[in-house]
Amino acid sequence: AQTVTQSQPEMSVQEAETVTLSCTYDTSESDYYLFWYKQPPSRQMILVIRQEAYKQQNATENRFSVNFQKAAKSFSLKISDSQLGDAAMYFCAYRSASYSSASKIIFGSGTRLSIRP
Amino acid sequence: DVKVTQSSRYLVKRTGEKVFLECVQDMDHENMFWYRQDPGLGLRLIYFSYDVKMKEKGDIPEGYSVSREKKERFSLILESASTNQTSMYLCASTRLYANTEAFFGQGTRLTVV
Repeated sequence: AQTVTQSQPEMSVQEAETVTLSCTYDTSESDYYLFWYKQPPSRQMILVIRQEAYKQQNATENRFSVNFQKAAKSFSLKISDSQLGDAAMYFCAYRSASYSSASKIIFGSGTRLSIRP
Repeated sequence: DVKVTQSSRYLVKRTGEKVFLECVQDMDHENMFWYRQDPGLGLRLIYFSYDVKMKEKGDIPEGYSVSREKKERFSLILESASTNQTSMYLCASTRLYANTEAFFGQGTRLTVV
């Protein structure tokens, strides 16, 4: 069974600085997708960024980028130029590309990010 | 604007009651999910459904059942609510393919007293 581990329950960063959130996962599959989701205090979960395992290039979305290390099964999220609106709970998620188990999305335990003004 | 709507934002129920949590999506998504969110444990999958009347158990199905009679609606049922089911419940939906984004409802905070 696949697992997702986020080892940092809480992180704090100064506004305008850069912060990296860690995520590791365990799987025996070779084809899968990885996601970072953000849950602000409003509780509305939204997608931040996604990565296809077959792509070597790291995904980037504006100030958000990932460092995907497939051999190490590591998928960290880097937030550049942190803003107050980035304060939220961040979840790392895994989804198999296998048709038989494609529906399941597995989440980590989350990292609560706070931004110091 | 795409939307996943959960019937209640806050709910208080008594121990032993049968509880229904409703979720409706307007995106014609094939997959729907129910998660439970607890501090330090993240989101744990209770049940998911990949088609009408089709369901699969997630990681923590004990004490729960689900119903999907129509494509847009996925209900979570607590057969006999217990205090250890006090939690935040999140519904989500996605298209069939694994690379697609999950859309979430705003969650139902259930308290069982």
